[in-house]
Amino acid sequence: ETGVTQTPRHLVMGMTNKKSLKCEQHLGHNAMYWYKQSAKKPLELMFVYSLEERVENNSVPSRFSPECPNSSHLFLHLHTLQPEDSALYLCASSRGLAGEQYFGPGTRLTVT
Amino acid sequence: DQQVKQNSPSLSVQEGRISILNCDYTNSMFDYFLWYKKYPAEGPTFLISISSIKDKNEDGRFTVFLNKSAKHLSLHIVPSQPGDSAVYFCAASSPHGAGNMLTFGGGTRLMVKP
Repeated sequence: ETGVTQTPRHLVMGMTNKKSLKCEQHLGHNAMYWYKQSAKKPLELMFVYSLEERVENNSVPSRFSPECPNSSHLFLHLHTLQPEDSALYLCASSRGLAGEQYFGPGTRLTVT
Repeated sequence: DQQVKQNSPSLSVQEGRISILNCDYTNSMFDYFLWYKKYPAEGPTFLISISSIKDKNEDGRFTVFLNKSAKHLSLHIVPSQPGDSAVYFCAASSPHGAGNMLTFGGGTRLMVKP
C-alpha cells in the first residue's frame, strides 16, 4: 500500500450507531488531518495531529472523536450522528505541519 | 465568511487551449498558496504551490500566478488535455502556532473537451 488509505470507502449508519473511520499513511509523515466535505461547501478542517498530539480542534461537535495512536494511523470515532453529518470525510498527512498535504480517497458517510 | 473564494463553479475549455482558474482571498496573513486537483471518488491531489515571496511558479503545463495586492491567484494550464478534467481547489495557509492550517476554496470544475 502506498500513499494515504482510508477505510471504509462508504458507510451508512443510523443515528444511534457507533462507528469508526480509519486512515493510514505510508509516507513517513508526522502530521495527520481530518477534513469534512459537505455538498457544495469548501473542505472544512476538523482536526490536526502533529507527532500524535492534537494541535487543532476546529469547533467540531463532540459526537466526532479523533484518535491518533501513532504517526501512521488516525481514527475518527462517530457516535449519535445527525443526518446533516452526511458528507465525504477526508484524511490527509504531511511531513511536518508546513508540508504539502496528501489526501486519502475519503469515506462517503451517510447518516440515516 | 469564506476567506478563500473560487467564484467560477465550472469552466469548459477546448483541448489544446489554455485553462485559467481563478481564486481570491481576503486574509492578508495568508503567505502560502496551493492548488489541488480532485477526480471523482478520489481525494484531492497536490498540484502546485507558491509562496507569497514569489509571483509566479511553473511546473510543466501548470503555472500559478500570485497578485498579492489584488489578493488573487490563478492557475494556468496550457495546453489543456481531456485528462485535466477534474475539480480544482485552491487553498491558502498563514503562519500559525500549529503550522500549516489550510483554508480551501469551494472548487472549480474544469471540463476539457476533445
